[in-house]
Amino acid sequence: SQQGEEDPQALSIQEGENATMNCSYKTSINNLQWYRQNSGRGLVHLILIRSNEREKHSGRLRVTLDTSKKSSSLLITASRAADTASYFCATDRGGGADGLTFGKGTHLIIQP
Amino acid sequence: SAVISQKPSRDICQRGTSLTIQCQVDSQVTMMFWYRQQPGQSLTLIATANQGSEATYESGFVIDKFPISRPNLTFSTLTVSNMSPEDSSIYLCSVGGWVVGYTFGSGTRLTVV
Repeated sequence: SQQGEEDPQALSIQEGENATMNCSYKTSINNLQWYRQNSGRGLVHLILIRSNEREKHSGRLRVTLDTSKKSSSLLITASRAADTASYFCATDRGGGADGLTFGKGTHLIIQP
Repeated sequence: SAVISQKPSRDICQRGTSLTIQCQVDSQVTMMFWYRQQPGQSLTLIATANQGSEATYESGFVIDKFPISRPNLTFSTLTVSNMSPEDSSIYLCSVGGWVVGYTFGSGTRLTVV
């Protein structure tokens, strides 16, 4: 079954604005990760937040995690045209199993 | 983090044929992962490849269709066999772990005609 569900599926904003994407998941997790994919290419790891963390920052990225609601959000501040990409949340598969379960992704378009 | 070289980057293949995708890692890794991303969709784990043992396949994926080799700790191949247009996808390899995160290859965009 699909673990993560991103919301919204597509988002278009003006350059300089903030972009917020949300992710929900179904099972208990050890951590949650966010990845970026440009034009159907390989994925770039953005940030990892552990289940005992509530918020994490990396440059213009801010991730929150609410394990009680089984949800996470990714905020990109001061967006740039180069941020145009698809963003996926992914969770570990639990039980010590490696590999990831991905959400459906949010396609972000930054209008110049 | 590890650097992965994946090839080919794209290919157009005739139905009924097979394509082998290669991933080379710049360091030794215990596990390598293969994912499929169908058009407009998210990534789905195909299998986990450990060196020295048979790959472990996820539900919905079988060895006859997606044979995997893992001859050493830095290299793996995924073959897509007897292809049909439904196999048109991006295929990605990955290394890492749930503790530290994962690195992905640049992907192979496969089109079956």
